[in-house]
Amino acid sequence: GESVGLHLPTLSVQEGDNSIINCAYSNSASDYFIWYKQESGKGPQFIIDIRSNMDKRQGQRVTVLLNKTVKHLSLQIAATQPGDSAVYFCAEGNSGGSNYKLTFGKGTLLTVNP
Amino acid sequence: DGGITQSPKYLFRKEGQNVTLSCEQNLNHDAMYWYRQDPGQGLRLIYYSQIVNDFQKGDIAEGYSVSREKKESFPLTVTSAQKNPTAFYLCASSVFPDRATNEKLFFGSGTQLSVL
Repeated sequence: GESVGLHLPTLSVQEGDNSIINCAYSNSASDYFIWYKQESGKGPQFIIDIRSNMDKRQGQRVTVLLNKTVKHLSLQIAATQPGDSAVYFCAEGNSGGSNYKLTFGKGTLLTVNP
Repeated sequence: DGGITQSPKYLFRKEGQNVTLSCEQNLNHDAMYWYRQDPGQGLRLIYYSQIVNDFQKGDIAEGYSVSREKKESFPLTVTSAQKNPTAFYLCASSVFPDRATNEKLFFGSGTQLSVL
């Protein structure tokens, strides 16, 4: 079946460095992508989303890049801080369906070393 | 402040017992969802509701039941038929999912259910 996956289950970076978290998707019909941050014991928090008519979108310290040719999504975090340590999930959706069709990846654990 | 409130944060279930997890939102969202999260796994959809008095099964609905009598509330009951209920349960809401676009989900803080 179609799925959303992650290249790296864990990522460790030094404070102040930039972080890049990758996500591969296989459903060519997906046209909506979203990143969530989840701290231990808490619910996921929305970070940023992007629709397939764009290939880049920037937020505060975060950038999402979408490469539809290779079905790849990435989240870039600039000047990573200890508070960025968490599990990051990507999810994909198909606007031809309804919201419940968001499919979540398993997550990448980001650890920021002081 | 606005948001989604889940309670309790921790819940223990005895064998053969039904338990109910509460989810309340004051975001005026039409759609609400229940997800199950197991360690090292992505979120799996249990049930969702797009409007009051209506709900649909998600991917793993067996052993669970829901109701949507009020827009603000979407309680989840884990029945005795659910043989492996230990997991982290997340409730979410969104504006009404328009067929032309997806909309982001807002999540509660979760309930950890364990079996005694």
